[in-house]
Amino acid sequence: SAVISQKPSRDICQRGTSLTIQCQVDSQVTMMFWYRQQPGQSLTLIATANQGSEATYESGFVIDKFPISRPNLTFSTLTVSNLSPEDSSIYLCSVPPGQAYNEQFFGPGTRLTVL
Amino acid sequence: AQSVAQPEDQVNVAEGNPLTVKCTYSVSGNPYLFWYVQYPNRGLQFLLKYITGDNLVKGSYGFEAEFNKSQTSFHLKKPSALVSDSALYFCAVRGDGGFKTIFGAGTRLFVKA
Repeated sequence: SAVISQKPSRDICQRGTSLTIQCQVDSQVTMMFWYRQQPGQSLTLIATANQGSEATYESGFVIDKFPISRPNLTFSTLTVSNLSPEDSSIYLCSVPPGQAYNEQFFGPGTRLTVL
Repeated sequence: AQSVAQPEDQVNVAEGNPLTVKCTYSVSGNPYLFWYVQYPNRGLQFLLKYITGDNLVKGSYGFEAEFNKSQTSFHLKKPSALVSDSALYFCAVRGDGGFKTIFGAGTRLFVKA
């Protein structure tokens, strides 16, 4: 199984600022996913980040608001820009465990509170 | 379009009793089905999956799930609940040939001692 770490684990930010979340995986993976889990809600896929190409965003999510970097096969960042209280959520990165994409492994999440 | 329904927001069960957490799905093609668990202040952990083969699949922590194609269901079960099973459970589905996994709304399980 993949070991995934995220930084920061939590943060409190002011309206209008940005937060960059880092995701580090202990093995090389082609695909990385970023999810949002709003309070009391399920997981919503924000985007898929493939190394060497632009991230693919889901409906309702745009690059200007959620820019993603994927500089290598073990690391990715998600930035949440121009924060508003509605962005208060848990943000999770996730990877499939190997070449066969079946189940996913998740990082511990970053809990963001926007004041 | 893919969808997952978890009809119960919350399931309450006494310790030692069997538990069932329900899930139904809709997907094009053959379904890949998953259950994940989320403990407080922790990320999601994979429990079990159905890809093909036996309809009854066994997973971590004594959990199992039964794939029922005619009812498009994939209910999570455990013969004897533990207080430590109390958590948030998510059912998820992906259609074969796709890469996007859809998660259900989640069911909160409370196991009372």
